[in-house]
Amino acid sequence: AQTVTQSQPEMSVQEAETVTLSCTYDTSESDYYLFWYKQPPSRQMILVIRQEAYKQQNATENRFSVNFQKAAKSFSLKISDSQLGDAAMYFCAYRSRRNEKLTFGTGTRLTIIP
Amino acid sequence: EAQVTQNPRYLITVTGKKLTVTCSQNMNHEYMSWYRQDPGLGLRQIYYSMNVEVTDKGDVPEGYKVSRKEKRNFPLILESPSPNQTSLYFCASMQRGGGLSAGELFFGEGSRLTVL
Repeated sequence: AQTVTQSQPEMSVQEAETVTLSCTYDTSESDYYLFWYKQPPSRQMILVIRQEAYKQQNATENRFSVNFQKAAKSFSLKISDSQLGDAAMYFCAYRSRRNEKLTFGTGTRLTIIP
Repeated sequence: EAQVTQNPRYLITVTGKKLTVTCSQNMNHEYMSWYRQDPGLGLRQIYYSMNVEVTDKGDVPEGYKVSRKEKRNFPLILESPSPNQTSLYFCASMQRGGGLSAGELFFGEGSRLTVL
């Protein structure tokens, strides 16, 4: 069974600075998807970024980028130029291509310091 | 507008009183799923459905039932709720297979359930 580990329950960053959230996962599969979801205080789950395992290039979405290290099974999220609206809980998730099951990490609560 | 709609958004009930949380999606997705979110545990899958009349247990199915009679609807049923089912519940749907949005889960807004 796949597992997803987020070892940082809480993090904080100064506004306009850069922060990196860690995520590691365990799988025996070679083809899968990885995601970062954001959950602001409104509780809505919002997709931040997606990475397909067979693509070597790291995904980027505006100020959000990932560092995907397939051999190390690591999938960190970098937020550049942090803004107050980035304050949220961030979940890393793994989706198997084989059985389409999505497994979430326990989340990292990000605080932005003005 | 593409969306997943779940109701009720908030509910306080008592132990043993059957309740149903409805979920409906308008994106013609085959895959639907229910999650519960608890502090420190992230989101855990309760049940999922690959298609109409096809449902399967997730990681924490005890105390829950689901049905998938129509493609768009996937209700979650608590036959006899207990206090340990107090949680935040999310319904989600997803396009199966490949494609631009492949693998992306579309979530409802969540249902906060309290069982006294």
